[in-house]
Amino acid sequence: EIVLTQSPEFQSVTPKEKVTITCRASQSMGSSLHWYQQKPGRSPVLLMKYASQSMPGVPSRFVGRGSGTDFTLTINGLEPEDAAVYYCHQSSNFPITFGQGTRLEI
Amino acid sequence: QVLLVESGGGVVQPGRSLRLSCAASGFMFSNFGVQWIRQAPGKGLEWVSLITFDGSTTYYADSVKGRFTISRDNSRNTLYLQMDSLRPEDTAVYYCAQVLSGVYVAWGQGTVVTVSS
Repeated sequence: EIVLTQSPEFQSVTPKEKVTITCRASQSMGSSLHWYQQKPGRSPVLLMKYASQSMPGVPSRFVGRGSGTDFTLTINGLEPEDAAVYYCHQSSNFPITFGQGTRLEI
Repeated sequence: QVLLVESGGGVVQPGRSLRLSCAASGFMFSNFGVQWIRQAPGKGLEWVSLITFDGSTTYYADSVKGRFTISRDNSRNTLYLQMDSLRPEDTAVYYCAQVLSGVYVAWGQGTVVTVSS
C-alpha cells in the first residue's frame, strides 16, 4: 500500500500569503498524484490531476508540482475562499489511498 | 452537467445490512468506472470500492472486503453498494464518484450511514 503523508496537517494563514502543502509517498508513483479541495459540509472537488494539471475553472494561484515521491500544492496569494481541507490522492496502485488532509484556516 | 445522487443511507444496528444507490446523469454512465469513497465523522477520505465501466472487474479496500459488494446497472445508470455485517467503524458519509483515468472528476453529495445499537 502506498502511504501518502501530508504536511502540515493544519496551517493558519492570512490573505495574500503563499502556502505550500507537501504530499510525500512511501514509494515512487510517477505523476499519478491528484489534489482535492473540500470545504466544510461539501463534497471534495478536484483541483489538480497528475501532479500539475489544473482543472478547468481552478484559479491560476493554485500550482501543483512534483513526481516520484514528493509533490507540492502551492497557493499563491491566498483568498478567504481558499479556507478548506486539501487532500492528495494516488491512483498508481491498489489500494487507492489519500493523504490525511491539510486544513487551511484563513 | 454531471450529476451523482446517492441514497439509501440511514441508521442501522451492528451486524445488519444496508444498500446504497448512486443515480448518475449528464454523462454516458456505461463508459466510466465509478467508485465509492467514505468519510468518517471529522476524519479524512477513505477509498472503499471501484467497479469498471462494464462491471467486469471490482476492487475493494481490505477494511470492507468480504462484507461489501459493489455493482452497477448500466441500463438504469445506477451504482450500488451492498453493505453486510456492518460495524460501528463503517459509520461515515458515503460518496460515489465518477472516475476518468484514475481521477475522481465528479462527486455526489454523499449519503450518511450510521451504525449504532
